[in-house]
Amino acid sequence: DGGITQSPKYLFRKEGQNVTLSCEQNLNHDAMYWYRQDPGQGLRLIYYSQIVNDFQKGDIAEGYSVSREKKESFPLTVTSAQKNPTAFYLCASSFFGGHTDTQYFGPGTRLTVL
Amino acid sequence: GENVEQHPSTLSVQEGDSAVIKCTYSDSASNYFPWYKQELGKGPQLIIDIRSNVGEKKDQRIAVTLNKTAKHFSLHITETQPEDSAVYFCAAIMEYGNKLVFGAGTILRVKS
Repeated sequence: DGGITQSPKYLFRKEGQNVTLSCEQNLNHDAMYWYRQDPGQGLRLIYYSQIVNDFQKGDIAEGYSVSREKKESFPLTVTSAQKNPTAFYLCASSFFGGHTDTQYFGPGTRLTVL
Repeated sequence: GENVEQHPSTLSVQEGDSAVIKCTYSDSASNYFPWYKQELGKGPQLIIDIRSNVGEKKDQRIAVTLNKTAKHFSLHITETQPEDSAVYFCAAIMEYGNKLVFGAGTILRVKS
């Protein structure tokens, strides 16, 4: 897990509520990523950011929002517009965000919407 | 579209035997192929990666081979141990969109 922390480890929310997942890294990496993991599926990219104050949509951005105000932090908000938010969420970072750049993952947050 | 297929979905081996996991990819321009190991309730950890300018890479009991012509790459684990039990993911960089695309994962069980 290196220098990437995610909190909390488990999160429970009622349907219709927005929730924000935290991701912090002390690796001095420029790029950060958010993935969603569902059982039996690979990781799917939600959003990524290659530099502070800039971010791009991934494959499944609908119902999610992000911000990148600091290099170390890349919080993810799961909004009420996300149809099926229960999943395991993984944050990752890499040095430059180049296409052959190794990505390092945090320990994940398991979100359950009741 | 961009796709990485991974087989098998589950693999059981006896301790000491070898395990092989195979992945195929769709983007012929892909040039970076990492493998990740994920233990229960944790984030994936990079175990080995290969770039397109080489055909094979080894790190102790783990090796990865790449066949760019056939667009497939494989993970080989020799002398498996119970602590190798985990979910293994392959991935490939897709040139279009400049992103990693992951396979669906392989559950490896090493029986002692």
